[in-house]
Amino acid sequence: DAGITQSPRHKVTETGTPVTLRCHQTENHRYMYWYRQDPGHGLRLIHYSYGVKDTDKGEVSDGYSVSRSKTEDFLLTLESATSSQTSVYFCAISPQTGASTDTQYFGPGTRLTVL
Amino acid sequence: KNQVEQSPQSLIILEGKNCTLQCNYTVSPFSNLRWYKQDTGRGPVSLTIMTFSENTKSNGRYTATLDADTKQSSLHITASQLSDSASYICVVKNSGNTGKLIFGQGTTLQVKP
Repeated sequence: DAGITQSPRHKVTETGTPVTLRCHQTENHRYMYWYRQDPGHGLRLIHYSYGVKDTDKGEVSDGYSVSRSKTEDFLLTLESATSSQTSVYFCAISPQTGASTDTQYFGPGTRLTVL
Repeated sequence: KNQVEQSPQSLIILEGKNCTLQCNYTVSPFSNLRWYKQDTGRGPVSLTIMTFSENTKSNGRYTATLDADTKQSSLHITASQLSDSASYICVVKNSGNTGKLIFGQGTTLQVKP
């Protein structure tokens, strides 16, 4: 998984509680992404980061926030978890050298269940 | 609206047989098209990336084709193996500053002995 770890790998939580997912990379890649994957949908971008403390929203950012204080770590926070946020969350990294063919490398995923 | 549609949704084949997965897209402006393989419980892994000028690209037993005029791509798997059982995702990248990726829903392939 290209030097990417996600923690926790599985989590069950209750509606209304805050949840933080962590993505850690050892590749020193500039760009990091958070996606969610749900049945009937392709992977959808939540937030992404293009450098330390530089982040931007994706297409499904409502209810989520992110932070990146170090190159290697990208945190995704569900401020008040809802059942609609039950999903599998993937972190991805990309060197973004400027070549259009830069690949995104995906982590192993975190399965989150909100009861 | 930028969309990527894949067919079939799922497919079952016997080990050793060939198969072809289809991808149609309406993404504009187009930068490149990627095929990813996602094993159950794992993250997607890139198989090929094709730019506008590339018609065919191979990665072992996987061969991707791209027709930029009709906005269609296919992924052909030759002499399938049990380990090919996975979801195959077609992804198109927008050109431009954000370089957004648009993901298809995937085709689930099951290879049976």
